Amino acid sequence: SYELTQPPSVSVSPGQTARITCSGDALPKQYAYWYQQKPGQAPVLVIYKDNERPSGIPERFSGSSSGTTVTLTISGVQAEDEADYYCQSADSRGTSVVFGGGTKLTVL
Amino acid sequence: QVQLVESGGGVVQPGKSVRLSCAASGFTFSSYGMHWVRQAPGKGLEWVAVIWSDGSNKYYADSVKGRLTISRDNSKNTLYLQMNSLRAEDTAVYYCARDSGAPGGYYLDCWGQGTLVTVSS
Repeated sequence: SYELTQPPSVSVSPGQTARITCSGDALPKQYAYWYQQKPGQAPVLVIYKDNERPSGIPERFSGSSSGTTVTLTISGVQAEDEADYYCQSADSRGTSVVFGGGTKLTVL
Repeated sequence: QVQLVESGGGVVQPGKSVRLSCAASGFTFSSYGMHWVRQAPGKGLEWVAVIWSDGSNKYYADSVKGRLTISRDNSKNTLYLQMNSLRAEDTAVYYCARDSGAPGGYYLDCWGQGTLVTVSS
């Protein structure tokens, strides 16, 4: 299996842009997905297939990919965006799923 | 709307067994793969297992192989996780989640609220 590496924490002021990275050797070949998890709640999918946004997710959430790193960008951060964010990918054989360690986004 | 409701959690003694259930509604359950994901207190998400829509294939994280078994009953719209030989490190909230079914790799588009399993004597 492989690993996905995220920074433990990111802090931004309201209205600024937050960028959360996720690195993994398999990411050039496999899609990445992002989940938001607020305290006491289940995770919610916010980005799929590197840069697609599910219906109902605000436009300020976007994703990008470059080589072995994918990035979740939240533009114009709002207080309600404070949460843990997890990247996820899957192996090419369809036998496993891997999550990054998670990044706590703090809105100052 | 899509709804996933887990049940079966509680306090279990080390070495004992428990079976978790996940009742699905609001979608055609038999058309979707399903996953279990767990989260230890204060920790990150850990994928546990996946089962294909027809139950023909099941895959597990190395950490649970041989002790946890995923299964489903499509006639009852229910997913299960049989947990045997429980250890303290199995203490976690267990989430069931629906696989999107999209080509290109697994991802989880709907999640239940989770059920807490505490392994303690």
